[in-house]
Amino acid sequence: SQQGEEDPQALSIQEGENATMNCSYKTSINNLQWYRQNSGRGLVHLILIRSNEREKHSGRLRVTLDTSKKSSSLLITASRAADTASYFCANQGQGAQKLVFGQGTRLTINP
Amino acid sequence: ETGVTQTPRHLVMGMTNKKSLKCEQHLGHNAMYWYKQSAKKPLELMFVYSLEERVENNSVPSRFSPECPNSSHLFLHLHTLQPEDSALYLCASGGAGGVSPLHFGNGTRLTVT
Repeated sequence: SQQGEEDPQALSIQEGENATMNCSYKTSINNLQWYRQNSGRGLVHLILIRSNEREKHSGRLRVTLDTSKKSSSLLITASRAADTASYFCANQGQGAQKLVFGQGTRLTINP
Repeated sequence: ETGVTQTPRHLVMGMTNKKSLKCEQHLGHNAMYWYKQSAKKPLELMFVYSLEERVENNSVPSRFSPECPNSSHLFLHLHTLQPEDSALYLCASGGAGGVSPLHFGNGTRLTVT
């Protein structure tokens, strides 16, 4: 199974602190993607990192990928209350058309 | 506004009813997806259509029947559902081949009584 796992399942921090979420997966991948979901809404794509990339930045987001450990991390710097949401990683296996999602990390930013 | 519109947003149906969920995208994507999101479970891929052909069917019970009449529209027909089918049903679209990011609708919250 390609299904990944996020760690931790829930994270609560103070506004302004950095939040780190981790994701592991099981098979070789083409790319790995991170998504955010606000309560009662659909998922929103944040960032895609390809299997030959090790790090990628987008605004306050930093994603790393370690294919030897089959893991990725998402760092949100200088967190804001509006960052409160669930965050999911999703991997696309080599030659596969579908994305397989993990269970997500529920992030709460306390003002 | 995500570019992917799902209707209805909420649906309550009895176990003997027949209903349909609708998804529409105007992003020019060639692939459309149905996902099921239940509490405390990962997103489950149900169906994938690429260029209007079904390319993936993840052992979904026959009480769920997808339809993709064109690249902009996707339906999920429901009949004789069970209470455990209650969930958030999410539609997504993306490029054919699955490499590009997915764009999700806001989902239909389905309750089966």
